[in-house]
Amino acid sequence: GAVVSQHPSRVICKSGTSVKIECRSLDFQATTMFWYRQFPKKSLMLMATSNEGSKATYEQGVEKDKFLINHASLTLSTLTVTSAHPEDSSFYICSAEDTPNQPQHFGDGTRLSIL
Amino acid sequence: AQSVTQLGSHVSVSEGALVLLRCNYSSSVPPYLFWYVQYPNQGLQLLLKYTTGATLVKGINGFEAEFKKSETSFHLTKPSAHMSDAAEYFCAVSHNTDKLIFGTGTRLQVFP
Repeated sequence: GAVVSQHPSRVICKSGTSVKIECRSLDFQATTMFWYRQFPKKSLMLMATSNEGSKATYEQGVEKDKFLINHASLTLSTLTVTSAHPEDSSFYICSAEDTPNQPQHFGDGTRLSIL
Repeated sequence: AQSVTQLGSHVSVSEGALVLLRCNYSSSVPPYLFWYVQYPNQGLQLLLKYTTGATLVKGINGFEAEFKKSETSFHLTKPSAHMSDAAEYFCAVSHNTDKLIFGTGTRLQVFP
């Protein structure tokens, strides 16, 4: 089946550092990828929709300058958390569509911890 | 606007017992409905989905869910729980399959 790979699985870094998270569709082309944030014991919150070759669409309340999304190819989208602070610590999950109107395939997530 | 309510943040059952996880939705358009399972420190895996057609949907691992429009519900069931079913379960709604709106999740515990 369709596989989405997310890297790194875990990252710990100092406050003020920028962190890049990669989301790759391994065996299909994904024109659309999604980035979610999951707080402890909470549901997933959609942050943005990433479209290959165009600007990402951010959900209300998500700072686009803080969370930079790049979808440069049909198999790769990246989320960069710029100048990360402890409140940015969270579990970030990406997903991708291989076919329009088919369910999304999720990556295994990235646990980000900012000290 | 769409929303999802999952009643019960924690559900505990004995191994072999019936599993029932509740999900109610709100949608102004015909909904697409999903159940996902999440194991610790992992992403989400699709259990089953309802888009159109048959209202009783069968998924993986013996789970099924029934779309009841009159009750705006999409409860997840499994006749006999296994220890391996212990996980977090999320119900989600969408008007297609793009923008998923998730419920707050239900943690299922299975006791031997």
